[in-house]
Amino acid sequence: NAGVTQTPKFQVLKTGQSMTLQCAQDMNHEYMSWYRQDPGMGLRLIHYSVGAGITDQGEVPNGYNVSRSTTEDFPLRLLSAAPSQTSVYFCASSSTSGGRLQGTGELFFGEGSRLTVL
Amino acid sequence: KQEVTQIPAALSVPEGENLVLNCSFTDSAIYNLQWFRQDHGKGLTSLLLIQSSQREQTSGRLNASLDKSSGRSTLYIAASQPGDSATYLCALGGRGSRLTFGEGTQLTVNP
Repeated sequence: NAGVTQTPKFQVLKTGQSMTLQCAQDMNHEYMSWYRQDPGMGLRLIHYSVGAGITDQGEVPNGYNVSRSTTEDFPLRLLSAAPSQTSVYFCASSSTSGGRLQGTGELFFGEGSRLTVL
Repeated sequence: KQEVTQIPAALSVPEGENLVLNCSFTDSAIYNLQWFRQDHGKGLTSLLLIQSSQREQTSGRLNASLDKSSGRSTLYIAASQPGDSATYLCALGGRGSRLTFGEGTQLTVNP
């Protein structure tokens, strides 16, 4: 029962470095998303996807790229890391997306990836 | 823009007490509302999902209600246990498969 798997769990980067946070789900979910969680600001949506080949920006997309070439995988790329991107990142998926116009179903979260940018 | 508020930010109760957590929101044009639990250093676990056409959902000792007209949801926990200690978050599902989260209520149940 893997569910949503995120790697790595911890990462330290220097300013300007790039990296990819991996997210994989084995539940054949259409909807996948990335959130960041910061003290005092709650969870904020970075990017999401309602199906393979479709991605959309969330509330805080700047500095991040995503792609969805398969149903299972939804990697999040940091192009040039900045200290403001120090956060805990969560990937989440849902069996129903309702497309771009409707809401999701029950969300399943990964365990999180803690990123520190020096 | 949807704004979600959870009050109180922290709550400490003795074991066995019944308690209510509150979630208020500004935009009633929602598709659903979800309550999550987050243990320290862990991911979120979905507890209850209420569709916009529903008034409440129940799972074991948990009951969540939704009143769109007043922009409020409550999570009722019966006979609280130390294992219920966690942060509880509500999230509003809006158009475009977007969720807006509250900042959560940190619950401590003391034995």
